[in-house]
Amino acid sequence: DQQVKQNSPSLSVQEGRISILNCDYTNSMFDYFLWYKKYPAEGPTFLISISSIKDKNEDGRFTVFLNKSAKHLSLHIVPSQPGDSAVYFCAASARTGNQFYFGTGTSLTVIP
Amino acid sequence: NAGVMQNPRHLVRRRGQEARLRCSPMKGHSHVYWYRQLPEEGLKFMVYLQKENIIDESGMPKERFSAEFPKEGPSILRIQQVVRGDSAAYFCASSPVGVMSNQPQHFGDGTRLSIL
Repeated sequence: DQQVKQNSPSLSVQEGRISILNCDYTNSMFDYFLWYKKYPAEGPTFLISISSIKDKNEDGRFTVFLNKSAKHLSLHIVPSQPGDSAVYFCAASARTGNQFYFGTGTSLTVIP
Repeated sequence: NAGVMQNPRHLVRRRGQEARLRCSPMKGHSHVYWYRQLPEEGLKFMVYLQKENIIDESGMPKERFSAEFPKEGPSILRIQQVVRGDSAAYFCASSPVGVMSNQPQHFGDGTRLSIL
């Protein structure tokens, strides 16, 4: 039962353009959402998060948008840089739970 | 290194042997989580421990798998009588508070387990 879904396994973007990574969830109890970045042979690194009381959170080049009615969140990276090339995972949790639920990841390639 | 430390980074075992994976959380973190990542899949929650206690093991197979987080020393994920299907990357994460406090978890670099 995949409660967090990333339907695009891969994405290629030109350097300097915007990268948009999408994530959908099914559990309406989720109230905290995160994005992690993962390089090969390394663990996921926390990137940015958002709680359900907000619809946008920005940190430098990274912005996360949350649409609760659509159960959808997205990560915008602008401008994209070659060093952003990695696998991006979205994750979600509920206050009543003990775990984060992860999507299957989107592999982003930023072309110089 | 103040991050989450996992060892070994790579572990090769033959079918039927035991695998022990270790995780030292970040300093000051008393909450430890283990995840498994199969090829082409996301991270799947296995178990959540807080010092000396298993809080939630709902994601862990009922047989052959066990986890502990003793008062002193690292957290251990133990897999007995390993089978080919146990081949995966096992990640440990830690946090200073539980999931309900809306704080991110910090991950180690994982242990890649290969079963021959």
